[in-house]
Amino acid sequence: TQLLEQSPQFLSIQEGENLTVYCNSSSVFSSLQWYRQEPGEGPVLLVTVVTGGEVKKLKRLTFQFGDARKDSSLHITAAQPGDTGLYLCAGGNFGNEKLTFGTGTRLTIIP
Amino acid sequence: DSGVTQTPKHLITATGQRVTLRCSPRSGDLSVYWYQQSLDQGLQFLIQYYNGEERAKGNILERFSAQQFPDLHSELNLSSLELGDSALYFCASSVVGGRGDNEQFFGPGTRLTVL
Repeated sequence: TQLLEQSPQFLSIQEGENLTVYCNSSSVFSSLQWYRQEPGEGPVLLVTVVTGGEVKKLKRLTFQFGDARKDSSLHITAAQPGDTGLYLCAGGNFGNEKLTFGTGTRLTIIP
Repeated sequence: DSGVTQTPKHLITATGQRVTLRCSPRSGDLSVYWYQQSLDQGLQFLIQYYNGEERAKGNILERFSAQQFPDLHSELNLSSLELGDSALYFCASSVVGGRGDNEQFFGPGTRLTVL
């Protein structure tokens, strides 16, 4: 069974600070996706990374896929209250239909 | 708005009852996935259908079943409900299945409360 552990589980920081969320596994994944979920809503896809070592930037968000494709990180620069939410990583494998979701990081940005 | 719709938004029922949750995928998407999200277990994959056929099964209980109809909408049936079935149930859809970069688009969810 493939598992994805996210850390930290909870994170509360002041507006304007930087932060990094980690997603780790002992298994290799073909792809890694990051979602953000707000209360009462479904997860929204932020990015997909498929190549070991790949880095993708989405405005203030930087996503990295580990060289061995077992881990990923999400870095947010100058956090804003709108970044508040539950961040979920999800791993996929070619030929396998389902995504394996991580344990989640609940982020709160304090104005 | 992801384009995936789910009904109802909220559902309150009693133990032992049966309910049906409905999902309509994004236009053009052939795959539908069902997930359960509870406070203590995160987002758990239940089952996937692709163009009307069951494609993959996750941690779905025998009391639960699903199907996908010719118009590609899907229903998740939950029977003999227990208190522990209270959770958010999400449907997601994607264009294809079986790809490692399978991007899924989630609906707003159905919150089920079993009393």
